[in-house]
Amino acid sequence: NAGVTQTPKFQVLKTGQSMTLQCAQDMNHEYMSWYRQDPGMGLRLIHYSVGAGITDQGEVPNGYNVSRSTTEDFPLRLLSAAPSQTSVYFCASSPGTGVSYEQYFGPGTRLTVT
Amino acid sequence: AQKVTQAQTEISVVEKEDVTLDCVYETRDTTYYLFWYKQPPSGELVFLIRRNSFDEQNEISGRYSWNFQKSTSSFNFTITASQVVDSAVYFCALLIRAGNMLTFGGGTRLMVKP
Repeated sequence: NAGVTQTPKFQVLKTGQSMTLQCAQDMNHEYMSWYRQDPGMGLRLIHYSVGAGITDQGEVPNGYNVSRSTTEDFPLRLLSAAPSQTSVYFCASSPGTGVSYEQYFGPGTRLTVT
Repeated sequence: AQKVTQAQTEISVVEKEDVTLDCVYETRDTTYYLFWYKQPPSGELVFLIRRNSFDEQNEISGRYSWNFQKSTSSFNFTITASQVVDSAVYFCALLIRAGNMLTFGGGTRLMVKP
């Protein structure tokens, strides 16, 4: 199993550009989520999904879109990048209710918006 | 709403010293899980421990130990005989079963000097 994979590892964008951060998991997990990590603030939840076709907003959703068409993939879209979106982005997956609730994290994507 | 507070933003110790990282949480749920993650300089998140709200037994794993006290809403982490390789940012996190998403503390940066 590859676990949770994220691409790209690094990205530099100009203000106003759009892009998609990719996240995939091969563990057949129901739950997937996106977090951003900023200095001194820990990780904050952007969006999450409890299954294919179901998504919801987390703590800091503005400026981001998600969709979940398959169990495996959960891409995060930046519609019009802003310098405030410079951050490290982590994708996570979890088996869901009734199991261990352990969260499996991807390696992260470091995004810089200039 | 859930909240996790790690009051110590940075701790510096000399190798072989013991060090305790504090974590205080807030939730109205009676069923929840507490986690500790380590983030080494390479950036990935490494799972250390999970504890559910019904299990207040302390746990020891090698040089690591955890003290969970519901009465004070704390889940502290102690490293005994610290080593340079313990240098990292450590995050405490809370998961309530309903949402299955993590609320993170701001993290504590631990620096262990030789």
